[in-house]
Parts: sequence; structure tokens; C-alpha cells
Amino acid sequence: AQKVTQAQTEISVVEKEDVTLDCVYETRDTTYYLFWYKQPPSGELVFLIRRNSFDEQNEISGRYSWNFQKSTSSFNFTITASQVVDSAVYFCALVNSGNTPLVFGKGTRLSVIA
Amino acid sequence: EPEVTQTPSHQVTQMGQEVILRCVPISNHLYFYWYRQILGQKVEFLVSFYNNEISEKSEIFDDQFSVERPDGSNFTLKIRSTKLEDSAMYFCASADHTDTQYFGPGTRLTVL
Repeated sequence: AQKVTQAQTEISVVEKEDVTLDCVYETRDTTYYLFWYKQPPSGELVFLIRRNSFDEQNEISGRYSWNFQKSTSSFNFTITASQVVDSAVYFCALVNSGNTPLVFGKGTRLSVIA
Repeated sequence: EPEVTQTPSHQVTQMGQEVILRCVPISNHLYFYWYRQILGQKVEFLVSFYNNEISEKSEIFDDQFSVERPDGSNFTLKIRSTKLEDSAMYFCASADHTDTQYFGPGTRLTVL
């Protein structure tokens, strides 16, 4: 069975601080994909990143970076120099290959205070 | 940039009534999904659809639910007789062969 755990329910930081959102996953498959989605207060789900199980290279996109470690089954997300607009719920998700359903974590609510 | 659209954005209905939620997936995508999110909770899978048939469904997707792709663009979710516990945000998503699912803005369903 697949499972995604986001242990941090809520995080609050002051603007310009760095913040890391944790994600731990469980799967028996050797081929899988990991995702992060952002859900701002307006409610939509915004795709941020997709990582396949064979690519452990870390990725940086502007102030966002992701650290994928298969040895610890983790796919953590760091926001550098946080801004108020980063305030949202962030979901980590897992899918096997073959366009199967996404399994979501419970989400981490990030509040960035000015 | 192509995007998934959903209508209506908010639907209020009486318990026992039928509702149809509509989605227009991204045009060259072949895989379609419905998910729901009860307020404050995680996003849960309902059903996936490929090649004009259901490919997978969850335990939530019981006989009260059905999906249809009536033409080349729309993808609908029907709830035959709504219950109070069906109140949630319903998200449509579509994907191409890359396994990346793009979500619509959601329909907030309120059952009174």
C-alpha cells in the first residue's frame, strides 16, 4: 500500500525566513513519481514539481528547492526567503507509473507573517 | 497556457437532489480524474477514466456516483441523490502520458 506522511500540520514563519516542509512516503513499487502541490487560500491545487524514483538529483527553482532521498524515503521542500504570498497549504503526493491515482499527504499549512 | 476548467465554482443543493459537476480537461490529455476534499482535510481520489471507461475507483465512489465523457471535451461527475456528507470541494484533473496531473479550480458543493 502507498502512503504519504506530512508530519507538520502547521508551520508559521516570519517573512524572509527559510522553511522546510517534510514529506515521507511508503511504496513497494520501484517506479513511482513524487509531487508537490500548493493550495492557496483561493482553493485551487497548483502543481509545483514532479520527481521520478530514478532521479535523486536535487532541484532548485527560484526560491524553491527539493531534496529527494530514497534512502530515507523522503522528498522535502524548502522555501528560501519566504514571502507572504507563500502562505498556503502544501501537499506532497505519490503516484505509481501508469497514470494511477495520486495519493496525497494530509498537507502542511504554511503561514508567512510580515 | 492550457488549463483545466470546472463549472460551477459553487453549487448549493438540497439533500436528495441530483447534481452534475462539469469539467473541461486540457485538450490533448487522455487520462481524467475526480478527487474530493472535505473542508480542512486531505485530497481523496474518487475515480479515474481512460479510453471512455472507468479505469479505477475508490471505495467512496459508490452507486450514487457516475462519470461520463459525453463529447470530446467535457467530463462530468454526477451524484444521484446527494447526502450531507457529500459536501466538499470536488477537483477534476487531467494528465497526458507523463503522469503529471493538472487540477482544475474545483467546485465547492454544499448539501443542505
